[in-house]
Amino acid sequence: AQSVTQLGSHVSVSEGALVLLRCNYSSSVPPYLFWYVQYPNQGLQLLLKYTTGATLVKGINGFEAEFKKSETSFHLTKPSAHMSDAAEYFCAVSLPGDYKLSFGAGTTVTVRA
Amino acid sequence: EAEVAQSPRYKITEKSQAVAFWCDPISGHATLYWYRQILGQGPELLVQFQDESVVDDSQLPKDRFSAERLKGVDSTLKIQPAELGDSAMYLCASSTMNTEAFFGQGTRLTVV
Repeated sequence: AQSVTQLGSHVSVSEGALVLLRCNYSSSVPPYLFWYVQYPNQGLQLLLKYTTGATLVKGINGFEAEFKKSETSFHLTKPSAHMSDAAEYFCAVSLPGDYKLSFGAGTTVTVRA
Repeated sequence: EAEVAQSPRYKITEKSQAVAFWCDPISGHATLYWYRQILGQGPELLVQFQDESVVDDSQLPKDRFSAERLKGVDSTLKIQPAELGDSAMYLCASSTMNTEAFFGQGTRLTVV
């Protein structure tokens, strides 16, 4: 079975500062990994995904994440936070070739002006 | 741009009543998922369909929840009777064999 742990339920950053959201996974096989963003009372939008190949993955809105097998991590970063980045972020894992997702508990990001 | 359609967006129902949610996946997506998201938590899978067949319903509370996808296209999730603890966001998603899951806007259920 796959599982995800997101460290930190709330992160507060200043506008223009680095955003770092932490995700560690557990999987018996090399997994697929995802980051989704959710705005209030909305569905989930895919930010980026790792399936195979290059371990540094670039996504939408300036976000990127790096798959580190040795650390079982898939942390999400953005060099410079914007007010529009305020949302909830979910890390998720699936078996390779499958898109049935196991989600972490989520991290709420607030951006200070 | 193709989207997963869900209705209604919001639903308030009294406990012990029946409630149903509808989902229309992206055209051509054979796999359909229903997730439940309790406030402050990540989504949890309730049921997965491949075409009209249930692939995984291990987390579906079958005493009160049912799901169907009769023609392998749109799907309905039903709760009967609703309980206070069923208050949550119900998310539908769809995918193909080669693409990630795309989510609808969800149905926010409040049971009073």
